[in-house]
Amino acid sequence: DTGVSQDPRHKITKRGQNVTFRCDPISEHNRLYWYRQTLGQGPEFLTYFQNEAQLEKSRLLSDRFSAERPKGSFSTLEIQRTEQGDSAMYLCASSLAGTPLLNTGELFFGEGSRLTVL
Amino acid sequence: GENVEQHPSTLSVQEGDSAVIKCTYSDSASNYFPWYKQELGKGPQLIIDIRSNVGEKKDQRIAVTLNKTAKHFSLHITETQPEDSAVYFCAASLMEYGNKLVFGAGTILRVKS
Repeated sequence: DTGVSQDPRHKITKRGQNVTFRCDPISEHNRLYWYRQTLGQGPEFLTYFQNEAQLEKSRLLSDRFSAERPKGSFSTLEIQRTEQGDSAMYLCASSLAGTPLLNTGELFFGEGSRLTVL
Repeated sequence: GENVEQHPSTLSVQEGDSAVIKCTYSDSASNYFPWYKQELGKGPQLIIDIRSNVGEKKDQRIAVTLNKTAKHFSLHITETQPEDSAVYFCAASLMEYGNKLVFGAGTILRVKS
C-alpha cells in the first residue's frame, strides 16, 4: 500500500472557476477526512466520511464546497466559484475505525493539494 | 467546541539539546492527544500520541506528558538532531466522536548543528 494519495498536487485557477480534488485513502480504511491548511496554521477540519456516509461538516465548509465518497473508497472535494480566500493546502486523511481495539486514533495524511486562486 | 493553543510558535535549539513544546486544550471531554510532524511539502505524520487514561508515554527520544486537571500536554524531544527540524502540531479529539482532530497552530523547530 502506498498510503493516501491526492491529485492534483498543485492547482492554479482564476477566481470564479470550479476546481475538484481527489483523494485515494489507504485501501482498508473506512474513515476519510478533509482538512484545510493555510500558511502558518494547523490543519482545520472540513468534513469526514465513514464509508460512503458524510457524517459531519464544519461550519467552515460553505455552500460552495461539496465532498463525496460515492462508493466508500476515493473521495472528491469540489469548490465552486472559487475565491482568493480559498487559496490553501487541502489535506486528505484516512483512518481505520471500528472496535476500540482497531481504532488506534491515527490519521494518515496525504501530501495535500495546494490551491492558488488568482 | 474544542480549542487548542500551542507554544512556542518557533523554537531554535542546538543539536543535542532538548526541545519542549506545550499545548493546552479547552474541552475536558477530549481523550486523545496526538503529535504530528510536518516536513516541507509533505502531509503531517504522527510521531506519538497519548490517551487520557495515561499520564506519560515515551518512544525513544520522544515523550509526551498529559495533565488532565490543568488540560495541558507537552512534547519532549531529547538529543535533538538536524533531521528533527520541522513543524510540529499538537491536536486533541474525542475518539468516540469521529476522532475529528483539532490542531494547534504549530511550532517551527530548528535544530542547529
